[in-house]
Amino acid sequence: AQSVTQPDIHITVSEGASLELRCNYSYGATPYLFWYVQSPGQGLQLLLKYFSGDTLVQGIKGFEAEFKRSQSSFNLRKPSVHWSDAAEYFCAVGGETDKLIFGTGTRLQVFP
Amino acid sequence: GAGVSQSPRYKVAKRGQDVALRCDPISGHVSLFWYQQALGQGPEFLTYFQNEAQLDKSGLPSDRFFAERPEGSVSTLKIQRTQQEDSAVYLCASSLGRDQPQHFGDGTRLSIL
Repeated sequence: AQSVTQPDIHITVSEGASLELRCNYSYGATPYLFWYVQSPGQGLQLLLKYFSGDTLVQGIKGFEAEFKRSQSSFNLRKPSVHWSDAAEYFCAVGGETDKLIFGTGTRLQVFP
Repeated sequence: GAGVSQSPRYKVAKRGQDVALRCDPISGHVSLFWYQQALGQGPEFLTYFQNEAQLDKSGLPSDRFFAERPEGSVSTLKIQRTQQEDSAVYLCASSLGRDQPQHFGDGTRLSIL
């Protein structure tokens, strides 16, 4: 079955600290992988995507993610978190059918 | 337009009423998706259009849910005889086509009393 697991429901970090949000997926074929961010009352904004090629992808706002096929993971990282990064983060997987399967999200809180 | 536009932003309805939610995709985007996001959850796929053709409606939870995109642009999601469990945020997304990222609107928050 196709699924996405985000093991951390809630993460708290201090401003300036590094961040890693975990994502594991189950998908029968070569996956397309995405990270989206959602602020309260807003839609989802695409941070980055992996379709093929280089397994380390760069996104907007200083985020990056690494695709590890052997671990079925696509973890999101940022070297130094800003207070404005506080939001809900969703990992998603898609493929030939185009529909996205989302994880349950990780809520990021940033302390000054 | 510059982005995906959804209306209304908020909708309150009494149980049993019918509701219609509108989505204006980004101009030129061929693919259009509807997702349902319950409180504290990730979005769940409802249905997918390529132009005016509804290619996948496997996520629609019941026959009370109906979506259309008659001219391949604007789409409407209709829910008949609403139930309390229909309360959620309904998100619309569009993309240029296969293998292209989806761009989301801000959603319609539906509350059924």
